[in-house]
Parts: sequence; structure tokens; C-alpha cells
Amino acid sequence: GENVEQHPSTLSVQEGDSAVIKCTYSDSASNYFPWYKQELGKGPQLIIDIRSNVGEKKDQRIAVTLNKTAKHFSLHITETQPEDSAVYFCAPGDGGTYKYIFGTGTRLKVLA
Amino acid sequence: DAGVIQSPRHEVTEMGQEVTLRCKPISGHNSLFWYRQTMMRGLELLIYFNNNVPIDDSGMPEDRFSAKMPNASFSTLKIQPSEPRDSAVYFCASSGTGTTQYFGPGTRLTVL
Repeated sequence: GENVEQHPSTLSVQEGDSAVIKCTYSDSASNYFPWYKQELGKGPQLIIDIRSNVGEKKDQRIAVTLNKTAKHFSLHITETQPEDSAVYFCAPGDGGTYKYIFGTGTRLKVLA
Repeated sequence: DAGVIQSPRHEVTEMGQEVTLRCKPISGHNSLFWYRQTMMRGLELLIYFNNNVPIDDSGMPEDRFSAKMPNASFSTLKIQPSEPRDSAVYFCASSGTGTTQYFGPGTRLTVL
């Protein structure tokens, strides 16, 4: 089955700095690559996604880059703010199905 | 615009008791998912319904777990009898025609 790993598991940055989280997957059939943000006491919420025919996608301060050959994709957050503090999950899968394998999560702390 | 609604938000019960978790998906969504989140195992898909029909229950841990979706606006996840190792946060999510899954706030279950 799909093996999904996230690195790092925890990340602390100063407010205003950038943060990068990497997700490595094993299933070459994966063609849909979302990132979810989970705040304390809430369910995960999709923040950005990308499909395999695109190498990069940006939405204001967040971006996702995909290296399908190397089977990894990354979440980039620029100009971090305290409200970016949360746990972030990648969940690669086949966009034509319902089954996404969630990574182990990265706890991001933005220090004011 | 109400999102996915789950009840109760917190449940504390004793080992051996029956537990019923409830979910109301977003109106118009035809797919519903139940997930379990623990520190040890992360976020796991338990069961997937499409148009009220269970499509994939391969993630249901054992026969003590059962899920139903009697109509498009309601689903239950039942554990009988409950055990301490069932303690976790249980999420319900729904999706429409797209790939995005919208998560509810979760039910934190503690089995003593």
C-alpha cells in the first residue's frame, strides 16, 4: 500500500520567516496532492492542492510544489503569522477515487 | 453555511458500554467518510459511503464497529461494546462532486 512520510515532524519558525514541509509518497499512481491544516480542537481543512499535470501552485502566502519523478511534494508558507500555527497533513492519492492516505503530520509553531 | 455537524463533541463512557456517534453531512454532498485519529496511528479512514451506500468498510477495526447512513443527511458510527483502545477523536467528512473532503469538528471519545 501507499507509504506516506512527512518531514519534519515539528517545525518552529519566527514570525515573518518561511516554513517548508515535505511529503514523500510511494504510490506512483498518485495524481492528487492536497495539504490539510488542522487547528487545535478542529477537523482538518484543505488549504491547497495540486494535480500531477502541474508543477507548482500558489495561493497568496502558501504554495505547493510537486516533483513527481522523485515522488515528493512540499508545502511552502511565506511571511508566517501566529495563526499559521497548526498541524499540517499531506494526503496524496488518486483524485479519481476517495482514498487518500494521510501523512503523520507536521506541527508548525510560529513564534511571535 | 453550516459545515459538517457532529454530535456529541465529547463522550466519556465506561468499557463495555455502547457508543453512538452522529454526523450530518453538508447538504447536497453525496459522499460521507468516517475517520479515526489517534497519536499512534494518525488519521485512518474507517468507512466510506456514496449515495448512502457503504462502499468501503475495510478500515473498520472489528465487528464491534458498525456504521449506517439511513438517508442523505444523517449517519451514525456505533461501537458496541466499547473498549479503552477505542479512545480517539472520530471525524466525519463529506464531499460533493469534487475531490475536497470537508471535515466536521470531531467527537473526542474516552473509554474508561
